[in-house]
Amino acid sequence: AQKITQTQPGMFVQEKEAVTLDCTYDTSDPSYGLFWYKQPSSGEMIFLIYQGSYDQQNATEGRYSLNFQKARKSANLVISASQLGDSAMYFCAMREGQAGTALIFGKGTTLSVSS
Amino acid sequence: SAVISQKPSRDICQRGTSLTIQCQVDSQVTMMFWYRQQPGQSLTLIATANQGSEATYESGFVIDKFPISRPNLTFSTLTVSNMSPEDSSIYLCSVPWGGYGYTFGSGTRLTVV
Repeated sequence: AQKITQTQPGMFVQEKEAVTLDCTYDTSDPSYGLFWYKQPSSGEMIFLIYQGSYDQQNATEGRYSLNFQKARKSANLVISASQLGDSAMYFCAMREGQAGTALIFGKGTTLSVSS
Repeated sequence: SAVISQKPSRDICQRGTSLTIQCQVDSQVTMMFWYRQQPGQSLTLIATANQGSEATYESGFVIDKFPISRPNLTFSTLTVSNMSPEDSSIYLCSVPWGGYGYTFGSGTRLTVV
């Protein structure tokens, strides 16, 4: 079974609009971490935001927020006020168990922002 | 966060040859991860490299094809051996940092012809 599921292969949004990228996860470990990374066409992996399984509040980092619904096992990324530079591939990833174990990635969502 | 220098950034190689990719970290880290990203796909973990012990490979990846070296806590290499066009991918190294985060190298874009 997929550990991380991203059901949107591609998303399109206009500049200054908000967009939500979906991510669901599957784990039986009570301790886990959820991550979102941005990968532009250059190929580098840019860390955006992190949510720990025991965190009570949703994580926020500037224009990025993570809508964490633990019971539904979802960790959607919300980008507010989209910019042209946000056009990239976005990956949801999970770390199961203790910190320092390898990340498991979803298939990714390509976001295209138009003017 | 840790900073990783990954080399080469890209290469075009002939089938049947081997390429060694290097990752140098600016601080000591216990674990280093190697990933493969095939064209248009997600990142797949190849192996976990610990200093002083053999790397642990994921299902579908074998040491003969992807030998890994980890001579110290700041350096690791991944070799892609006897390459075929199916090995054309981006290869990335990654290390955990700060208790919960992960840093990635800039990636090696490999094309096998």
